[in-house]
Amino acid sequence: EPEVTQTPSHQVTQMGQEVILRCVPISNHLYFYWYRQILGQKVEFLVSFYNNEISEKSEIFDDQFSVERPDGSNFTLKIRSTKLEDSAMYFCASSAGRMNTEAFFGQGTRLTVV
Amino acid sequence: GQSLEQPSEVTAVEGAIVQINCTYQTSGFYGLSWYQQHDGGAPTFLSYNALDGLEETGRFSSFLSRSDSYGYLLLQELQMKDSASYFCAVSLGFQKLVFGTGTRLLVSP
Repeated sequence: EPEVTQTPSHQVTQMGQEVILRCVPISNHLYFYWYRQILGQKVEFLVSFYNNEISEKSEIFDDQFSVERPDGSNFTLKIRSTKLEDSAMYFCASSAGRMNTEAFFGQGTRLTVV
Repeated sequence: GQSLEQPSEVTAVEGAIVQINCTYQTSGFYGLSWYQQHDGGAPTFLSYNALDGLEETGRFSSFLSRSDSYGYLLLQELQMKDSASYFCAVSLGFQKLVFGTGTRLLVSP
């Protein structure tokens, strides 16, 4: 069964450092997303991406964040200068359709900022 | 803004039926989805209601009433493996899911 894969599964970084979280969406999907989940809280939307550009972003997705699809398979989330409050599980997701009727999530990258 | 409220925790026994409610304050959404998340795992899609009424998928059913700003997930013939967190989510805007507060379901023998 096709799946969304994310690497690494766990990343520890020092405050102020840049991190890149990587995702390989399902191959025939056209819509890509990043969500985050702070421990014990709900899943929060960060950004959606379609046709090589951002479609929508939340207020969380400020200038410290960027996304890129560097090639035909990878989708990355970069945090330029990490803060303690960026510590969370980051989920990549993809969907075939526009209305997000069924988004397939990866297993997540647990980011710990120390 | 949008808000989706769910009970924080529900407990039930194996074989029982449980209903997880979701009340929301939002407008202009395309549909209501339900996702399951086991501890440490990824959210997994369960069900989607674009229209009012009941959608049935095996042991799981989901209901939406836009006039009441309310939906629920019904789980039948509960199994131990159903112990997880369940989130309702609305599809907003171009491509965006806004998740509810989540309900932790504990199934006991």
